Amino acid sequence: EIVMTQSPATLSVSPGERATLSCRASLSVSTNLAWYQQKPGQAPRLLIYGASTRATGIPVRFSGSGSGTEFTLTISSLQSEDFAVYYCQQYNNWPPASFGQGTKVEIK
Amino acid sequence: QVQLVQSGAEVKKPGASVKVSCKASGYTFTIYGVSWVRQAPGQGLEWMGWISTYNDNTNYAQNLQDRITMTTDTSTSTAFMELRGLRSDDTAVYYCARVPASYLYYFDYWGQGTLVTVSS
Repeated sequence: EIVMTQSPATLSVSPGERATLSCRASLSVSTNLAWYQQKPGQAPRLLIYGASTRATGIPVRFSGSGSGTEFTLTISSLQSEDFAVYYCQQYNNWPPASFGQGTKVEIK
Repeated sequence: QVQLVQSGAEVKKPGASVKVSCKASGYTFTIYGVSWVRQAPGQGLEWMGWISTYNDNTNYAQNLQDRITMTTDTSTSTAFMELRGLRSDDTAVYYCARVPASYLYYFDYWGQGTLVTVSS
């Protein structure tokens, strides 16, 4: 089973600043990686798939990069609605589909 | 528009079973797979399994495979997840999610979630 590790666990950022979230896979997953956003009391929402392709309706301030074992989600200028928990998920080797433990982006 | 609407919250006693439904609309049900993901209170996301809506093939998480069954009813575009032998650590919000393809195993649309509480 591929283990996904996200860092940091919590990221404190001021509105308007840039946020950079990391996700590392225990084995190469090529570019078969997705990112999700989850707000309290809501279901996760797909942001990025294929490591760098934005899902339908996702603002351009969200961007993904990386391949192999190292991936990054960047939010270029944080808006108030972006404060949430973000999860990465690999789909190169499944089952199982493994998620990272999440990064909480909070207001600084 | 694509929607996945799940059944309502459940309270069950230890040892009981629960069956959660997920009704799809806004797309052709049999083209996309359905996965189930759960989230214990304050915890992360745990993949539970997948079902092909085309031929009912399934893959289950190893730690659940003895207790879980996923099914579909294509006549109503509904997927079901049944979990048996409930324990307190099965208390969680259960989500269904659409899977674009067996080789594109991410989750592009999600249900609203169903809270299952296991308590004596």
